[in-house]
Amino acid sequence: RKEVEQDPGPFNVPEGATVAFNCTYSNSASQSFFWYRQDCRKEPKLLMSVYSSGNEDGRFTAQLNRASQYISLLIRDSKLSDSATYLCVVNMRISGAGSYQLTFGKGTKLSVIP
Amino acid sequence: SQTIHQWPATLVQPVGSPLSLECTVEGTSNPNLYWYRQAAGRGLQLLFYSVGIGQISSEVPQNLSASRPQDRQFILSSKKLLLSDSGFYLCAWSVWGLNQPQHFGDGTRLSIL
Repeated sequence: RKEVEQDPGPFNVPEGATVAFNCTYSNSASQSFFWYRQDCRKEPKLLMSVYSSGNEDGRFTAQLNRASQYISLLIRDSKLSDSATYLCVVNMRISGAGSYQLTFGKGTKLSVIP
Repeated sequence: SQTIHQWPATLVQPVGSPLSLECTVEGTSNPNLYWYRQAAGRGLQLLFYSVGIGQISSEVPQNLSASRPQDRQFILSSKKLLLSDSGFYLCAWSVWGLNQPQHFGDGTRLSIL
């Protein structure tokens, strides 16, 4: 099983639509979770952290289900500028290293269409 | 505020040539530092991380090496590049601690000919 798994997409949605991305992770001991956004040929940028109780930042809502090892990101009222790849990020224990580091999913590509 | 600088932005190198990519962080002390590679159409692969000066942990065996000569400087090197070393190299930093997000530099796009 992949450590952090995401649907690669692409998700093609019209402006104003609501879109949801899902992510599953394999390490039940993971303690921190994030969503990053990566524009084409650019570096990933932190979009938001994901808290156990769920959290919202404007049009973006993140949810965490520890029992199912599942994270989601909901984008409401999609804008053209939301077009990007969204990376699910989980801290995982690095084998043989005795420490935890962030593990990135491969990302879900979103295209918002006029 | 904290900033991270990475250079060069793009690099074209012949097979067998050496490599040196540099990354510096400003506005924070004793950051955790990271080097990642992102191959075309693939996810981020952690190459090295460092929790302090001279402390380097390698995640993937390869012909690359990393060094941290100063608190806020992280260098990625190779003595002889391979075709498979092509990719997008990203430096990142985080505050020390378990649940901290990482913040990335602009990246270096490396093409090996």
